[in-house]
Amino acid sequence: EPEVTQTPSHQVTQMGQEVILRCVPISNHLYFYWYRQILGQKVEFLVSFYNNEISEKSEIFDDQFSVERPDGSNFTLKIRSTKLEDSAMYFCASRPGPTEQFFGPGTRLTVL
Amino acid sequence: RKEVEQDPGPFNVPEGATVAFNCTYSNSASQSFFWYRQDCRKEPKLLMSVYSSGNEDGRFTAQLNRASQYISLLIRDSKLSDSATYLCAAHFGNEKLTFGTGTRLTIIP
Repeated sequence: EPEVTQTPSHQVTQMGQEVILRCVPISNHLYFYWYRQILGQKVEFLVSFYNNEISEKSEIFDDQFSVERPDGSNFTLKIRSTKLEDSAMYFCASRPGPTEQFFGPGTRLTVL
Repeated sequence: RKEVEQDPGPFNVPEGATVAFNCTYSNSASQSFFWYRQDCRKEPKLLMSVYSSGNEDGRFTAQLNRASQYISLLIRDSKLSDSATYLCAAHFGNEKLTFGTGTRLTIIP
């Protein structure tokens, strides 16, 4: 069964550094998402992406964040200058159409 | 009022028992609802979509009550492997999923 994949599984970085989190959505899916989950808190929406552009973003998704689909398979989330409070699990999700979203295994980001 | 609210639990239930969770939502324009299961430090995994007519998948039954703005999940004959956090999620007329905080369930042998 096709799955969303994410790399790396764990990323440790110093405050102020740039990180890029990578996702490979399910191949025939058209809608892509990033969510994050701070330890012990709920899953929060960051951004949605369709037809090569951002379709919606949350208040969390400020100028420090960007997304890109550099080729036909990858979907990336970049954080330009990480803060301590960016430490969280970051989940990528995708869906083929107006149906359920399927989540990748997540990247645990630790900012020191 | 939070958009999606759940009782965080924990619910500690003996194996074989039936357990039910509710989730309330504040936006009457909500279109779609889902139950996800999340194991510790793992991704949310889709358990089932929730339809107005209700739906059942094996031991799991989901119901939607639009008049009272809540959805429910019933687990019958609970098993040790059902121990997890159950997340309620909704689409509010846009693309994003809005999640509740989750209800933690532990099945006790």
